[in-house]
Amino acid sequence: EAGVAQSPRYKIIEKRQSVAFWCNPISGHATLYWYQQILGQGPKLLIQFQNNGVVDDSQLPKDRFSAERLKGVDSTLKIQPAKLEDSAVYLCASSPGTSDSTDTQYFGPGTRLTVL
Amino acid sequence: LAKTTQPISMDSYEGQEVNITCSHNNIATNDYITWYQQFPSQGPRFIIQGYKTKVTNEVASLFIPADRKSSTLSLPRVSLSDTAVYYCLVGDYNAGNNRKLIWGLGTSLAVNP
Repeated sequence: EAGVAQSPRYKIIEKRQSVAFWCNPISGHATLYWYQQILGQGPKLLIQFQNNGVVDDSQLPKDRFSAERLKGVDSTLKIQPAKLEDSAVYLCASSPGTSDSTDTQYFGPGTRLTVL
Repeated sequence: LAKTTQPISMDSYEGQEVNITCSHNNIATNDYITWYQQFPSQGPRFIIQGYKTKVTNEVASLFIPADRKSSTLSLPRVSLSDTAVYYCLVGDYNAGNNRKLIWGLGTSLAVNP
């Protein structure tokens, strides 16, 4: 079974530029998550989709971050404009079910973003 | 807001058993305790999950006392490749009863030769 795919793996941009990350979840997984992980910290949930609807985006900085999940499969996370503090690893995860208490999340390798 | 507390770091030697204890005083009645492992430059990986008493799989064991306010991840006979960050997680439920995992700093385990 193929895992969660993310691209690109690395990205370097200057502040105020825009950037987009792509995620392809495990086939058939209903729930998709985007996390931000700053060095030395645990992942922070940015947005959670169930199929193509948003169930939690309470920690997404909506003035600069946006995300969509087209047709309930692939997802794109965008930052526009980027700030220095956005430098982090952006992780995508998917889970089979509806995020109940036993739902296991499977993570991709992440995209390491450096903002100069 | 449900959250967990675990040691920031631990040191061990190859072949030893490692026990990492996590406290989760406000765990929801119906929630499970989940542990993930993360290697540098990789996404977290599921290790084990349990509700009460003891759960064992090919990688680890999870011990949960009756009050469920804590849990202990046990790694038998660790090797250098077990050097990683280990996260203990419980859920937080929003108004729509959707579960969100609350990620802390994790425990950075260093296994020495």
